[in-house]
Amino acid sequence: KAGVTQTPRYLIKTRGQQVTLSCSPISGHRSVSWYQQTPGQGLQFLFEYFSETQRNKGNFPGRFSGRQFSNSRSEMNVSTLELGDSALYLCASSFTLAGGLSTDTQYFGPGTRLTVL
Amino acid sequence: DAKTTQPPSMDCAEGRAANLPCNHSTISGNEYVYWYRQIHSQGPQYIIHGLKNNETNEMASLIITEDRKSSTLILPHATLRDTAVYYCIVRVPRGGATNKLIFGTGTLLAVQP
Repeated sequence: KAGVTQTPRYLIKTRGQQVTLSCSPISGHRSVSWYQQTPGQGLQFLFEYFSETQRNKGNFPGRFSGRQFSNSRSEMNVSTLELGDSALYLCASSFTLAGGLSTDTQYFGPGTRLTVL
Repeated sequence: DAKTTQPPSMDCAEGRAANLPCNHSTISGNEYVYWYRQIHSQGPQYIIHGLKNNETNEMASLIITEDRKSSTLILPHATLRDTAVYYCIVRVPRGGATNKLIFGTGTLLAVQP
């Protein structure tokens, strides 16, 4: 079974631009979470989606948004990029129990390395 | 904020056991201890989790103290490929309303040849 895939793997943008990152979960997984990793702040939770609905959100400005499609694939968007948005963006998927309840194991993708110049 | 504290770094000789400690003195009764690791610039990888009993799988063993305020992850025979940052996380287990993970700063384990 294929793992979590993220595209693109590397991205270079300039300040003020916007960017869209994509995540394809493991087949059958309906929950997708996004994380940002920077040297200064470490791994921080961005948001979580289940069944096309955002059900949890981290402490990030409104420039960070996401969505999930009916096939469970997810995208996150960052508008008006700032230098501080340079980071590794990680997506994780997990199989959910009935009613969308959490499971033990989350599977992470390889991440998208975003550089903002 | 993370509910765990870990040493920032540790060294281990190849072939020896690596023992990684974690303090979680404010853990709640229904929270489990999870361990993930992250090899340089890759996504975190699940290792093991437990509530109060010792757990073992093909990757590692987890020893949780009786008062549940601390735990130790044991890699029985460390190899160079085990060099990674190891994260100890407490969270509500399966059946919770969210999969959110709160990562601390982790421990950088350097396995030396």
